[in-house]
Amino acid sequence: GAGVSQSPSNKVTEKGKDVELRCDPISGHTALYWYRQRLGQGLEFLIYFQGNSAPDKSGLPSDRFSAERTGESVSTLTIQRTQQEDSAVYLCASALAGGINEQFFGPGTRLTVL
Amino acid sequence: GEDVEQSLFLSVREGDSSVINCTYTDSSSTYLYWYKQEPGAGLQLLTYIFSNMDMKQDQRLTVLLNKKDKHLSLRIADTQTGDSAIYFCAESTSGTYKYIFGTGTRLKVLA
Repeated sequence: GAGVSQSPSNKVTEKGKDVELRCDPISGHTALYWYRQRLGQGLEFLIYFQGNSAPDKSGLPSDRFSAERTGESVSTLTIQRTQQEDSAVYLCASALAGGINEQFFGPGTRLTVL
Repeated sequence: GEDVEQSLFLSVREGDSSVINCTYTDSSSTYLYWYKQEPGAGLQLLTYIFSNMDMKQDQRLTVLLNKKDKHLSLRIADTQTGDSAIYFCAESTSGTYKYIFGTGTRLKVLA
């Protein structure tokens, strides 16, 4: 019974480079969320996937950010031409849609843009 | 838009009670949650309360909800050093999937 896993756990990159962050949700969870957590701040919603429905991308801060999900499995968050303000912890969560909608979080990827 | 606010820091002595407060603005909230984040880890659901309840108790945890004032609190009895973490308040509305999270309250327990 593995939980949500994310890779890499840490990523240091140079300004202007592209990065790809990966999330493996809990098997059977149809819903998947990406959040950004800047130092000392709350969780900022980025994107939501639910089954085969069109994702809710309303939280993506710019067109440099994109995310994909293959069916109800792995998701990748891509940040192109990274900027220093992209430095944050990126958290992924999955959930069984419905009920209290408890979200199960991964440990996050800490991204540092130099 | 909807907003959830919390104080940033709380420091208590081991064995004392901790009370973490949260205010929210969305009157259509159905569920209110408390999540705990330990260092280097993701968030974990601690407890939740339906908006038609005013209190929920779960072992050392007591959640109080004042719907009129849109105020939620989490009381931790007999606080232990292992309770040191960041506590997030969140709300969602039935039929939607979006959570609104607060900024988190960092609880420090002094031995």
